[in-house]
Amino acid sequence: RKEVEQDPGPFNVPEGATVAFNCTYSNSASQSFFWYRQDCRKEPKLLMSVYSSGNEDGRFTAQLNRASQYISLLIRDSKLSDSATYLCVVNSPSFNKFYFGSGTKLNVKP
Amino acid sequence: EPEVTQTPSHQVTQMGQEVILRCVPISNHLYFYWYRQILGQKVEFLVSFYNNEISEKSEIFDDQFSVERPDGSNFTLKIRSTKLEDSAMYFCASKASGYEQYFGPGTRLTVT
Repeated sequence: RKEVEQDPGPFNVPEGATVAFNCTYSNSASQSFFWYRQDCRKEPKLLMSVYSSGNEDGRFTAQLNRASQYISLLIRDSKLSDSATYLCVVNSPSFNKFYFGSGTKLNVKP
Repeated sequence: EPEVTQTPSHQVTQMGQEVILRCVPISNHLYFYWYRQILGQKVEFLVSFYNNEISEKSEIFDDQFSVERPDGSNFTLKIRSTKLEDSAMYFCASKASGYEQYFGPGTRLTVT
């Protein structure tokens, strides 16, 4: 079983739409969770950390469900500039290793 | 804003040669990482480094690979006897005492 699994997409949405991505992880002892975005042939850039209580940053909301080992990212009012691949990242229980999902591709169209 | 830098941006080498990829982490960060991403595939963890020693390494990080922090600012990844399948983007990342890592722009390694 993969450590982190994501729906690869692509998600094709119009500007202004709300879109949600999901991610599941296999190790129940993982403690830290993140969403990164990656543009084509660029480095991953931290979008937000994911906290147990859920957290919001502008148009982006992240949720964590430890019981189901599930992380989500909600993007409201999508912009063209949101087009990218969104990576779910989970740390190992040792905190020394980070597992990346394969990413979910988002295309926001005018 | 401080950032992780990597050199070179693109390295072309022949099979069997050794390469050294260089990274300058953010200056007050203590934890350092190397990842690779083969074109079209996911980002894969290679190794983590703290307090001048390897903290953890993946199955990919075999005897062909080594890391070093030769001075107070650089963090290097050496790949000995490169193979065609080593062609990938190599990302360096660093973090402070929290959990959030910051990535460099990557080095594209092409092995011919």
